[in-house]
Parts: sequence; C-alpha cells; structure tokens
Amino acid sequence: EAGVAQSPRYKIIEKRQSVAFWCNPISGHATLYWYQQILGQGPKLLIQFQNNGVVDDSQLPKDRFSAERLKGVDSTLKIQPAKLEDSAVYLCASSPSGRAWETQYFGPGTRLLVL
Amino acid sequence: SQQGEEDPQALSIQEGENATMNCSYKTSINNLQWYRQNSGRGLVHLILIRSNEREKHSGRLRVTLDTSKKSSSLLITASRAADTASYFCATGESSNDYKLSFGAGTTVTVRA
Repeated sequence: EAGVAQSPRYKIIEKRQSVAFWCNPISGHATLYWYQQILGQGPKLLIQFQNNGVVDDSQLPKDRFSAERLKGVDSTLKIQPAKLEDSAVYLCASSPSGRAWETQYFGPGTRLLVL
Repeated sequence: SQQGEEDPQALSIQEGENATMNCSYKTSINNLQWYRQNSGRGLVHLILIRSNEREKHSGRLRVTLDTSKKSSSLLITASRAADTASYFCATGESSNDYKLSFGAGTTVTVRA
C-alpha cells in the first residue's frame, strides 16, 4: 500500500514570501492532518480534516496559514506571508476515520527554512 | 499546548543495553500511543495501550501505563544502532474521541 506522499521535501524562502505544501494521503483514509514540528519539539496539530470538512483548526494561525482538502483527497497548506518563526518541518498524516485510538500514518515531511 | 511530557529529553546508551523513557500527561485518557521518528523522516507508530491495560509487549518493546499516576513508560530491550531516533508519546483524551496530542519527545542515541 502506498504511504502518505508530500512535496516538496525542502523549501527555502525569504520572509514575507508565500509557500505551499502538498499532501496525498493513503487511499481511503477519511482523515488528514497537518502538523508543524519545530526543531526539538513534538508535532503540533495545525488542522484536521474529515473528508473535506474541518474538524479542528484551533491552532492554525489563520491570519497567515490556510489549508484546503480538495474533494476529500489531496490537501494543500499555504503560508502567506511567511515569518522567520515558521521555519519548521510540516508533516502530513492520515488515518482511516480520525479516532484517537487509530494509527496515524505520516509522510516524510516538508522542511521549511525562512530566511 | 502539549499533553504529554517525556523524560528524559535525551538518552545515550551502548548497543545491547536497555533504554527506558517516560511520559506523563495531565488529563484523563482512553489510550496512549508511542511513535518513533528517525532523523529527517515522518513518525512511525510503534504501539498503542488502552486505559484499561497496564502492560503491553511488541517485539523488543514493552509499554506500561499507570492511569493513577498519569504516566507511561516505554522500554526498548537489547538496543541496536537502528533504534537511534526520537520517541514520542501521544495521548487520546477521554473528553474527545478525535483528539490525539503529542509530547515533546525523547531523543535516544545508541552507540556502537
């Protein structure tokens, strides 16, 4: 079974520029997650989709971050404009139905450096 | 804010030794999971323990859960160089079936 795919793997931008990340979850998984992982910390949930609806986006900085999940499959996370503190690894994960006792399957992440 | 707090933050051991790390959490949970993250990679699920379980084994992994102390431990026996990674606990809160919160992790280095 194919895993969670993410692109790009690395991105370097200057502050105030915009950037977008793409995620393709495991086929059939209803739930898709975007996490931000700052160096030395655990993953912090930014947004959780159930099919193409949002379940939790309480920690998403909505003034600069946006995300969408087209047709309940692929998802894009955008940052506009980027700040220095957005430098982190952005992880996408998926699970069958989003229950907290399910295994979450993670992609390799996109490493963002904002200069 | 993160629900789980791992201890220690970092651990260095010799190959063949056991590694133990702990996770403490604040609220009532219905399950706790452990994940591993190798450098530059995504997280990989290791094991899940439910709130009504006290101990669980998977290969060289042993997980315990003490809900009265709100803590869990992960033991890796007979460590190998390939066990070098960061380990995270993640808690599923009783109040929300859809919320899983990750801790800050323990970085384990296994020396050859």
